Amino acid sequence: DAGVTQSPTHLIKTRGQHVTLRCSPISGHKSVSWYQQVLGQGPQFIFQYYEKEERGRGNFPDRFSARQFPNYSSELNVNALLLGDSALYLCASSLEPGQGGTGYGYTFGSGTRLTVV
Amino acid sequence: DAKTTQPNSMESNEEEPVHLPCNHSTISGTDYIHWYRQLPSQGPEYVIHGLTSNVNNRMASLAIAEDRKSSTLILHRATLRDAAVYYCLTAGNNRKLIWGLGTSLAVNP
Repeated sequence: DAGVTQSPTHLIKTRGQHVTLRCSPISGHKSVSWYQQVLGQGPQFIFQYYEKEERGRGNFPDRFSARQFPNYSSELNVNALLLGDSALYLCASSLEPGQGGTGYGYTFGSGTRLTVV
Repeated sequence: DAKTTQPNSMESNEEEPVHLPCNHSTISGTDYIHWYRQLPSQGPEYVIHGLTSNVNNRMASLAIAEDRKSSTLILHRATLRDAAVYYCLTAGNNRKLIWGLGTSLAVNP
């Protein structure tokens, strides 16, 4: 079985540009979460989607948006890129939503390394 | 505002057991304790989770204090491939997992 796949693996963009990151969850998993991980820090929660609906949003500006498709894959979009958006963007899938209040585990992809210059 | 406290770094020798501590004194009664690890240049990897009772799986054991204010991840025999950052997590106020800085584990040959 394929794990969580993310594309592209690396990306270089210029300030002010737009970027779209893609994620395919594990087969059968209906929930996808997005995280931003700046170098030397732990991942920061951005969004969670389940059955194509947003189930949670972290403390990120409106420049960040996401959606989930009928096949449960997901896209993360970031507009008007800033230098501070440079980070590793991680996608995690799970059978159902739920975080610390449940026993559901998450499977992460290897991430997309975004560099904004 | 991480809800857990972990040592910044720990060191172990290969083939020896490793005990990674975590304090979560503000954990609510229904929140699970999750452990993930992250190898260099990879996404986090699920290790184990538990609620009240100690848990074992093929990767590790999780020992949870009776008052649930602390837990310990136990790697029974450390290998070089266990060198990673280990994150202990519980839920934040909005029930979302909060990731701190984790413990960077070095394993000496």
